[in-house]
Amino acid sequence: SAVISQKPSRDICQRGTSLTIQCQVDSQVTMMFWYRQQPGQSLTLIATANQGSEATYESGFVIDKFPISRPNLTFSTLTVSNMSPEDSSIYLCSVTSGTGGYDEQFFGPGTRLTVL
Amino acid sequence: AQSVTQLGSHVSVSEGALVLLRCNYSSSVPPYLFWYVQYPNQGLQLLLKYTTGATLVKGINGFEAEFKKSETSFHLTKPSAHMSDAAEYFCAVSDQGTNAGKSTFGDGTTLTVKP
Repeated sequence: SAVISQKPSRDICQRGTSLTIQCQVDSQVTMMFWYRQQPGQSLTLIATANQGSEATYESGFVIDKFPISRPNLTFSTLTVSNMSPEDSSIYLCSVTSGTGGYDEQFFGPGTRLTVL
Repeated sequence: AQSVTQLGSHVSVSEGALVLLRCNYSSSVPPYLFWYVQYPNQGLQLLLKYTTGATLVKGINGFEAEFKKSETSFHLTKPSAHMSDAAEYFCAVSDQGTNAGKSTFGDGTTLTVKP
């Protein structure tokens, strides 16, 4: 299994500013994933972060808006840049971990962001 | 490409009644299928998963789901609802292998349990 922690757990920010969210895993993992859950909606994958290479973004998400760092196998950051109220969401970090041919997916507790 | 459709954004049952939450998926490859539960202001918790093998999967809290390939369905059931089951439930699908973490989620179903 994998235990994931995120910082901050929540924040209230002003529009036009940026927030960096940290994700720490208790074991080394190859890939880390960032998801967004907008109010009352489901989860949407933002990007996949591999250590030592640039993140891969899903359709509708761009690096300038959501830059990601992956400095080692247990840590990643997601920055929400130039925020607007539409960025108010829960941002979740996720990893896969496992043996025997199946990787189970684990989610962090999320960072609840409110943009005023 | 994958997709998940959860039929019914809100389901209401009486305490002790059967819970049935519907999920249909589409996937071009053999899928992994999941049900997650999210309580208010909390993170996602895995209820159960289907990867390979037995198509009837049992999870935590008395929930189970059956993978029906012919119907592309993975409906979640519980014989007797409890008040503590009130939450948001998400069905998800992912590929196997290196894409296992790239899950596609349904829109969610809010389960209300009436006393």
